[in-house]
Amino acid sequence: DTAVSQTPKYLVTQMGNDKSIKCEQNLGHDTMYWYKQDSKKFLKIMFSYNNKELIINETVPNRFSPKSPDKAHLNLHINSLELGDSAVYFCASSLGLAGEQETQYFGPGTRLLVL
Amino acid sequence: AQSVTQPDIHITVSEGASLELRCNYSYGATPYLFWYVQSPGQGLQLLLKYFSGDTLVQGIKGFEAEFKRSQSSFNLRKPSVHWSDAAEYFCAVGAKGGGNKLTFGTGTQLKVEL
Repeated sequence: DTAVSQTPKYLVTQMGNDKSIKCEQNLGHDTMYWYKQDSKKFLKIMFSYNNKELIINETVPNRFSPKSPDKAHLNLHINSLELGDSAVYFCASSLGLAGEQETQYFGPGTRLLVL
Repeated sequence: AQSVTQPDIHITVSEGASLELRCNYSYGATPYLFWYVQSPGQGLQLLLKYFSGDTLVQGIKGFEAEFKRSQSSFNLRKPSVHWSDAAEYFCAVGAKGGGNKLTFGTGTQLKVEL
């Protein structure tokens, strides 16, 4: 009965490769997010989608492309991976965008290591 | 733009002792405030949240936090710490009408001595 799930949990890959991380939530939420946590554990939002529509894009390189096939899924595709992309990527979801609906619930994270 | 400061990078307390983790925010209006906990190798778990109303909020695992507008603070407290509370704690602020963007502090790592 996992609320927000991510696959894979770990991802080790070579520079220049293309990879995807998948996120699914079974909470019936309308809004989903991607955050990046760097090696110093600093968390920063990358994207958010509401009802499959992009609402936040925090100056993330074009190599990162989120895709939301439906409200329950938000996938993150990364092209031409660089060493600096090594981080933990967290997916989150919230009921909506107003008031207490904004409470965000996080997935377990995907640990990406680029060699 | 909003920002969050967690002044303490590391805190060590003895099991059974009380705990206070500091959080100061910068935002032009009343913010939404959150505390999350991250255990090693795990995701973020919501401890508690403040949106409006009573400035003292209760959360899970015996934690509470108090919103003090005059001090722009939202400190997290627990009267008696358990060894299992050892983790990284993050304070976050959300802006009303800001598209639900959460801004996180840099975290406080809590160690508990037995």
